[in-house]
Amino acid sequence: DAKTTQPPSMDCAEGRAANLPCNHSTISGNEYVYWYRQIHSQGPQYIIHGLKNNETNEMASLIITEDRKSSTLILPHATLRDTAVYYCIGSGGYQKVTFGTGTKLQVIP
Amino acid sequence: DGGITQSPKYLFRKEGQNVTLSCEQNLNHDAMYWYRQDPGQGLRLIYYSQIVNDFQKGDIAEGYSVSREKKESFPLTVTSAQKNPTAFYLCATLRDTGELFFGEGSRLTVL
Repeated sequence: DAKTTQPPSMDCAEGRAANLPCNHSTISGNEYVYWYRQIHSQGPQYIIHGLKNNETNEMASLIITEDRKSSTLILPHATLRDTAVYYCIGSGGYQKVTFGTGTKLQVIP
Repeated sequence: DGGITQSPKYLFRKEGQNVTLSCEQNLNHDAMYWYRQDPGQGLRLIYYSQIVNDFQKGDIAEGYSVSREKKESFPLTVTSAQKNPTAFYLCATLRDTGELFFGEGSRLTVL
């Protein structure tokens, strides 16, 4: 499983885009980048994943650099309900899946 | 509706007692995982199982044991050998598309 590095915390103004970075320089060619978020006292919730192309769904967009060593999760219009801890992990499926410490995003009114 | 049921949601035990946390799924997922989370910390992997009758240690397996006799069930026993068992325990399954799906967690407090 790939080791990932994320900033411990970030602030974002409500209504603005939140851009959460993640470094995953050791990710292997067949490992996807997955993003999850955890709201206090709940289990993490899947957001989005990608291999090498940019991805978008109803929750967020994922931008992966061409060398796949880093990615950015974009929440286009952050709301107070987006305040959570966001985790980025690299995984190939059916294997050990480990989490780092994540980024605590605080959306400010 | 398919999902993961973790029980009990809250559990209090005296020091030195073994405790078993239940995790049941009806999602027909092969792989299951147990994580531990301490206040203000990330998730740490305890054990995982890719198929029935097989499981592997994660990063913090000492003081814990598991079994996987059925596809639907992956119980976690917190033994008396676990020095600091008070924590939030999360069970997850792995979807075919590779993302984890989590239960609501069990909060264990050792008095």
